[in-house]
Amino acid sequence: NAGVTQTPKFRVLKTGQSMTLLCAQDMNHEYMYWYRQDPGMGLRLIHYSVGEGTTAKGEVPDGYNVSRLKKQNFLLGLESAAPSQTSVYFCASDRPTIPEAFFGQGTRLTVV
Amino acid sequence: LAKTTQPISMDSYEGQEVNITCSHNNIATNDYITWYQQFPSQGPRFIIQGYKTKVTNEVASLFIPADRKSSTLSLPRVSLSDTAVYYCLVGDIPNTDKLIFGTGTRLQVFP
Repeated sequence: NAGVTQTPKFRVLKTGQSMTLLCAQDMNHEYMYWYRQDPGMGLRLIHYSVGEGTTAKGEVPDGYNVSRLKKQNFLLGLESAAPSQTSVYFCASDRPTIPEAFFGQGTRLTVV
Repeated sequence: LAKTTQPISMDSYEGQEVNITCSHNNIATNDYITWYQQFPSQGPRFIIQGYKTKVTNEVASLFIPADRKSSTLSLPRVSLSDTAVYYCLVGDIPNTDKLIFGTGTRLQVFP
């Protein structure tokens, strides 16, 4: 039972490059989330999705786009990476009737 | 969503009971209170959730007074492995569709 899997685990980008982070969950959860966590800080919600084909903005959506074409996958895109997007990115999933959200192991992204 | 306020950090020693209090003065009638634990370089992990009074599981207890404007996470007999950041979240229905984390409380357990 894999739970929530994030790909890749580490990535170094040059300023202006683009990339996509993949989050996959095998628990048939309706809700999925993308967060970023800067050193010594709490998690900040970037975007979230309450179902296949739906997405919504969180607290810090600027510079990111997301897509949820399949229920089990939630993609986070950076069209033109900036050094300010250097962070650890976490994906999570849950169901509205169950209190527990499950998190991936994180993706450490460095933009130089 | 109701905002939460927690102490930035706490220190304890092994074997002691630790109580972390979270203030949520604007909590709504339908809001639940949920606590997560995060170890360095890992994603948060669910600890406990409650609506009112007291909830206990194998990891912790959650105390919620009648006015529900605060809650206290109680960790019995902490060990070094309990060193982590603890987050208090407040949201409606058993799980809100927008999980918003605050700054959390950094607990350091000393030998």
